[in-house]
Amino acid sequence: GNSVTQMEGPVTLSEEAFLTINCTYTATGYPSLFWYVQYPGEGLQLLLKATKADDKGSNKGFEATYRKETTSFHLEKGSVQVSDSAVYFCALSSNDYKLSFGAGTTVTVRA
Amino acid sequence: GAVVSQHPSWVICKSGTSVKIECRSLDFQATTMFWYRQFPKQSLMLMATSNEGSKATYEQGVEKDKFLINHASLTLSTLTVTSAHPEDSSFYICSARDTGLPEQYFGPGTRLTVT
Repeated sequence: GNSVTQMEGPVTLSEEAFLTINCTYTATGYPSLFWYVQYPGEGLQLLLKATKADDKGSNKGFEATYRKETTSFHLEKGSVQVSDSAVYFCALSSNDYKLSFGAGTTVTVRA
Repeated sequence: GAVVSQHPSWVICKSGTSVKIECRSLDFQATTMFWYRQFPKQSLMLMATSNEGSKATYEQGVEKDKFLINHASLTLSTLTVTSAHPEDSSFYICSARDTGLPEQYFGPGTRLTVT
């Protein structure tokens, strides 16, 4: 079956630091890959997506590249802000459109 | 665009009563809607998938008679928790998918507390 493994948290950073959250997956076929973000007390928001190998998703300074050869979709941001403090979920969907989520990584950015 | 709402955002009910949660796609037609539970500091657990006009498909271990799902239109799905017990207390989140797109858009969630 499908599964997603992402870096355990929590992660604490200083403002303007570089952020990487690792995500690897196991799936049959050709899944679509996503990063969702959940701010405190809110629902999940789609941060970025990639639907085929070598695609790069980007949004709000975050980037992730769909790497089929390493089955990875690592999230990166070059300079984080306090407002980036949230829980980040890596996810994939296959033909049935069901999402399989990673465990989530809590990121705290300190001023 | 791609806004999903849920109502109520927070509800308290007594054991044995039923609670209905609504999920609406506000600016698109949702071919498919999904219902999740999220426990504190944990990831989302898919409960069921519903397609407009057909019966919901439940994940293994989810009681379909306890969690009634209706997807009567392309913009509305409801989850009814029947005969609620304290262990049903949780954060319930819905999502919706537009035709032809793989991503899901999530509602803000409903906090259910059963006393």
